Amino acid sequence: GAGVSQSPSNKVTEKGKDVELRCDPISGHTALYWYRQSLGQGLEFLIYFQGNSAPDKSGLPSDRFSAERTGGSVSTLTIQRTQQEDSAVYLCASSSKNGYEQYFGPGTRLTVT
Amino acid sequence: AQTVTQSQPEMSVQEAETVTLSCTYDTSESDYYLFWYKQPPSRQMILVIRQEAYKQQNATENRFSVNFQKAAKSFSLKISDSQLGDAAMYFCAYRSPTGTASKLTFGTGTRLQVTL
Repeated sequence: GAGVSQSPSNKVTEKGKDVELRCDPISGHTALYWYRQSLGQGLEFLIYFQGNSAPDKSGLPSDRFSAERTGGSVSTLTIQRTQQEDSAVYLCASSSKNGYEQYFGPGTRLTVT
Repeated sequence: AQTVTQSQPEMSVQEAETVTLSCTYDTSESDYYLFWYKQPPSRQMILVIRQEAYKQQNATENRFSVNFQKAAKSFSLKISDSQLGDAAMYFCAYRSPTGTASKLTFGTGTRLQVTL
């Protein structure tokens, strides 16, 4: 079946602009996660959604970052007033309700110039 | 908070040989899950192997196996009969049991080179 998809694959933006990154999880998966991978670093948790529960936003680095998940499926990560330090690969993952395995998408490489 | 440490930034192995990647973690929880993920240049994170902490038996998936030492909080990955396609970044990850904080906590990764 279809895996996790993310768009765009690559995004170049100017400092100060807003960007939106999209994640389409595996059909039927209730949990959705966003991670950030900076150059040469491991993955850093940003936010996760589980069903209709309030999202865990504990990993968001600043109030310029926000995310929503509409209809329990597609999620959008928004970064406002982008800074150069926001340049990274943003990875999305999903898992089933009682599953502990997370399935990752191919990521979006964000470059802020 | 849990932490995961991978002390080998880079490793190299010859084709057909065996290599072991190290991972240690710190937690106060008694039940948890551990994972090894592979990330090739395509960026796609691929699950290689998982281990449930309550299981004493080490997990094995074909050429991949782990050495899980719960008391020592160590979780190493052994790759046997290495192949060129094994070249990638390998990340060790920790997860609390489902129903609590479900995020994955990752180490900083080990880049594995496979030479002829």
